[in-house]
Amino acid sequence: GQSLEQPSEVTAVEGAIVQINCTYQTSGFYGLSWYQQHDGGAPTFLSYNGLDGLEETGRFSSFLSRSDSYGYLLLQELQMKDSASYFCAASNRDDKIIFGKGTRLHILP
Amino acid sequence: NAGVTQTPKFRVLKTGQSMTLLCAQDMNHEYMYWYRQDPGMGLRLIHYSVGEGTTAKGEVPDGYNVSRLKKQNFLLGLESAAPSQTSVYFCASSYSAPRNQPQHFGDGTRLSIL
Repeated sequence: GQSLEQPSEVTAVEGAIVQINCTYQTSGFYGLSWYQQHDGGAPTFLSYNGLDGLEETGRFSSFLSRSDSYGYLLLQELQMKDSASYFCAASNRDDKIIFGKGTRLHILP
Repeated sequence: NAGVTQTPKFRVLKTGQSMTLLCAQDMNHEYMYWYRQDPGMGLRLIHYSVGEGTTAKGEVPDGYNVSRLKKQNFLLGLESAAPSQTSVYFCASSYSAPRNQPQHFGDGTRLSIL
């Protein structure tokens, strides 16, 4: 079957760096995406990795290793507004993507 | 630019009632999706459509039906609501297959079945 594993919760301090890991098991893997969701809000797209390596978008970076079936989202200079749930999502060679169960990020002042 | 609009935003139903959730997008996207989100379960795909007039089953399709008569609209129907269908429903769209295309989500419909 297809599945993604990510920690259910992560806690970090404002101004620090935090890494959220994601391992996946999916046939015909194409790429890994990350979405952010604030409480009561809609998921919003953050980043996509189709190739191995690091993609950087401002304070957020995402990494993919196909050989390890592993990726991570790196958030730098944490701000209180980054408190949210983060979902990794794997796309394969059909028309849909599979979401992980999400990691809730708590930020302490 | 409205993006993806879901109606209604909230609804309470009694067991056995039927209803339709509407999703409308104004971005000329081909692909549209319905997900449900339950606590600790992430987003699970119910049904999806790769273009006008097409629909396909996702991970949890039982108890739901969909229609895509117009490119901009994707309807999700519950024929006979059950308490297990209490959830937050999200619609999403993408320009093409979401292999490397971001999905754009609506604000969700919070549905309670009593």
